[in-house]
Order: sequence, then C-alpha cells, then structure tokens
Amino acid sequence: NAGVMQNPRHLVRRRGQEARLRCSPMKGHSHVYWYRQLPEEGLKFMVYLQKENIIDESGMPKERFSAEFPKEGPSILRIQQVVRGDSAAYFCASSPPGLGGDEQFFGPGTRLTVL
Amino acid sequence: AQTVTQSQPEMSVQEAETVTLSCTYDTSESDYYLFWYKQPPSRQMILVIRQEAYKQQNATENRFSVNFQKAAKSFSLKISDSQLGDAAMYFCAYKDGGSNYKLTFGKGTLLTVNP
Repeated sequence: NAGVMQNPRHLVRRRGQEARLRCSPMKGHSHVYWYRQLPEEGLKFMVYLQKENIIDESGMPKERFSAEFPKEGPSILRIQQVVRGDSAAYFCASSPPGLGGDEQFFGPGTRLTVL
Repeated sequence: AQTVTQSQPEMSVQEAETVTLSCTYDTSESDYYLFWYKQPPSRQMILVIRQEAYKQQNATENRFSVNFQKAAKSFSLKISDSQLGDAAMYFCAYKDGGSNYKLTFGKGTLLTVNP
C-alpha cells in the first residue's frame, strides 16, 4: 500500500506566478489535510477536505489560496500570484473515514521557493 | 485555542544513552490525543508514538516511551539506547477527540546524536 504521495517535491516560482501542489492520499483514505511549515516553525493546519467537499478552511489565507479534492484525481493546493512569504514546505496528510482523523499519515512534502 | 509548547529548541545525546524531550500543552478538553512526530533531514513526517488522554498507561513503542501527566498537561518523550538514526527534529502535536481533526504542533526540538 503506497503512502501519501506529493508532487512535485520541489517547486520554484517567480513572484506573481501560480503554484499547484498535488497530493494523492493513501489507498482507501477519503480525508485530506494540508499543512504549511515555515522555516524554523512547526506545521500549521491550512485546510481539511473530503471528496468534493471543503470541510474546514479556517487555516487558509483569505486570498490567493484555494484547495480542492475532486471525485477523481489528487487533491490540489493552488496558490495564485505567489509572493516570497509563500516560500515554505507544504505537507499533505490523509486518514481513512470513520477514525475522526486521529491518525494522519503524512506525505513527503513539497518545498516551494519563490524567487 | 489549544497550544503546544516545546521549550527545548535543541538537545543532544550520546549514542546508546537516554534522552527526554519535553512538551506541554494547554486545553480545556478532556478527550484528546497527543503525538510525537519525527522529521529527519528528508523532511518526511513520521509518527513515533501516540497517546489517548483517557488512557492512564503511558504509551511505549520499542525504545520510545512517553511520560503523560494529564493534570500537569505534560507529555514528554523518552528515547532509550539512542541511535544515530534518531537524529531528527521532533514535534509534539495535539488533537481534540471526537470529530475535531486539526493537529496543533509545537515548534520542535532538534535532536543531535553524538557517536
């Protein structure tokens, strides 16, 4: 059973460009979470999604950030018009249905660098 | 809001010795989960150990054990017989019980293992 997969592992963008980060949850997992890790910090919750539904996006910046988890395909975290402050590691985690998210399995992360 | 505090930014230990990493948390909930995650240089987040608040018995996983003091809201991680591969950043994390799914992380403790 493959783990949580994220791609790309490294992404470089210039200010003003768009960044798209992809996350494929573990097989059988229908809950996806995105976290952001700024340098020298712990991970901070951004958004929680189930298939075709955003359950909680209280940790998402109000502008430029969006997330989706379509019926088919990976979850996408999209950052429009990136700025230097968006440089961070973005982690995706998944959990199976019914466990209340008490065990989340993390992907390897995508490191975004904004030039 | 729940908070997690790791007061030791860095710790070091000699190979084969024992080290304890500290974590305190603040919550008004009675039902919750606590976790220790390891983040090696690869940046992959790896679950080390988990504790349910309703269980009085401290969790253990091989060389890793916790000292869970619910009244003091303390959750320390003890690593016995330290190995070079234990060198990593260690994060303490908290999650409410029930349907709440957000993990709240501390800022981490960087553990160095000296040969």
